[in-house]
Amino acid sequence: GEDVEQSLFLSVREGDSSVINCTYTDSSSTYLYWYKQEPGAGLQLLTYIFSNMDMKQDQRLTVLLNKKDKHLSLRIADTQTGDSAIYFCARRETDSWGKLQFGAGTQVVVTP
Amino acid sequence: DTGVSQDPRHKITKRGQNVTFRCDPISEHNRLYWYRQTLGQGPEFLTYFQNEAQLEKSRLLSDRFSAERPKGSFSTLEIQRTEQGDSAMYLCASSSSGRIMNTEAFFGQGTRLTVV
Repeated sequence: GEDVEQSLFLSVREGDSSVINCTYTDSSSTYLYWYKQEPGAGLQLLTYIFSNMDMKQDQRLTVLLNKKDKHLSLRIADTQTGDSAIYFCARRETDSWGKLQFGAGTQVVVTP
Repeated sequence: DTGVSQDPRHKITKRGQNVTFRCDPISEHNRLYWYRQTLGQGPEFLTYFQNEAQLEKSRLLSDRFSAERPKGSFSTLEIQRTEQGDSAMYLCASSSSGRIMNTEAFFGQGTRLTVV
């Protein structure tokens, strides 16, 4: 999705925090999602945030949304080797129930 | 219920052949989606059903592609006269409609198609 952009790669040491960034161009994005994909597997929904929120925390995951800059981030605290995967940012408009627009994904590699 | 199920997991076919994939959504999910994911890219939306009605189709869904959900439960995606460019992972997802906004889609493990 050219309207959703992510950095392609992130390397992080085990135990450190990871921050994955995403930018989007369409201000009508009402719902924003983070999905995780492990090799050979489908997508696992990690968390989501509505556009009227600035932050959402769920255990080790913190999502920050800057609506002015159209910037979304996912912070993973105490990163573990099992967090190694590709992380996708996605957006959906309010009245478009069927269509998620994904970024190209950020590959996160966790090193010991 | 073990989630969204897709069959087969892998399919190798010769160029020009027809292929059909099946998706079984989570029970009682009335919405079903098909996406295509090529290597190094995020999933791209193909089409969407609410119950048995196909409500939205992407321009990516050429005339060679057809999707059905005849009874509002499982769905099939057929590709006719396959081309090498059709090689991709085909993902199915389902969700429920509801009054709350918490209607996120759950994905299956996908069917990987290789056209040789």
